[in-house]
Amino acid sequence: EVQLVESGGSLVQPGGSLRLPCAASGFRVSDEFVSWVRQAPGKGLEWVSVIYSDGNTGSADSVKGRFSVSKDNSRNTVYLQMNSLTPDDTGVYYCTHLKFFAFQVWGQGTMVTVSS
Amino acid sequence: QSALTQPPSASGSPGQSVTISCTGTSSDVGGYNYVSWYQQHPGKAPKLMIYEVNKRPSGVPDRFSGSKSGNTASLTVSGLQAEDEADYYCHSYGGGNNRVFGTGTKVTVL
Repeated sequence: EVQLVESGGSLVQPGGSLRLPCAASGFRVSDEFVSWVRQAPGKGLEWVSVIYSDGNTGSADSVKGRFSVSKDNSRNTVYLQMNSLTPDDTGVYYCTHLKFFAFQVWGQGTMVTVSS
Repeated sequence: QSALTQPPSASGSPGQSVTISCTGTSSDVGGYNYVSWYQQHPGKAPKLMIYEVNKRPSGVPDRFSGSKSGNTASLTVSGLQAEDEADYYCHSYGGGNNRVFGTGTKVTVL
């Protein structure tokens, strides 16, 4: 069974940084795609970034240059590195298993709050 | 890339059908058969209901169906049940690293 568990969410000041790990089970991150999706409080879903099986990545324009995604195949874990955070980055961050161009399985999400 | 357009709300009585539209452009919905739909109950993570326009993952009831015509995709929920009351989001691949969600639709079972 595919499962994803995010962690690392917390309160951070504007301009700060945060790294969110996503531990995967039931599949190998070395062989499959993992994507991050976020949701601001009371708002809709927003695609954030993706890391492909070969390690190439892609990001939404709203986070390009500030957020990066990486993975540790030996730990079967994907990381979202978030820098230069602003209040607009506040929300729940979900890690997803991306397959057939759809977000097949979602983690439970981790809350990131950017505030002074 | 702009969000796909969905109606803010939709409703129906138990047993009835409700259809939600998702309008994009020829660069996303109209250009690829990679539209998916997600159900989200309050406080919960989204759940995949439809992928590749009209395919259902294992475990999703056949009351849920998807279709597409031109730049507009649709999700139909037949035989509405109380547990279908939730927010629904569409998503489309837009080529390269472009992926965009819809604005979301709140479905109410009357």
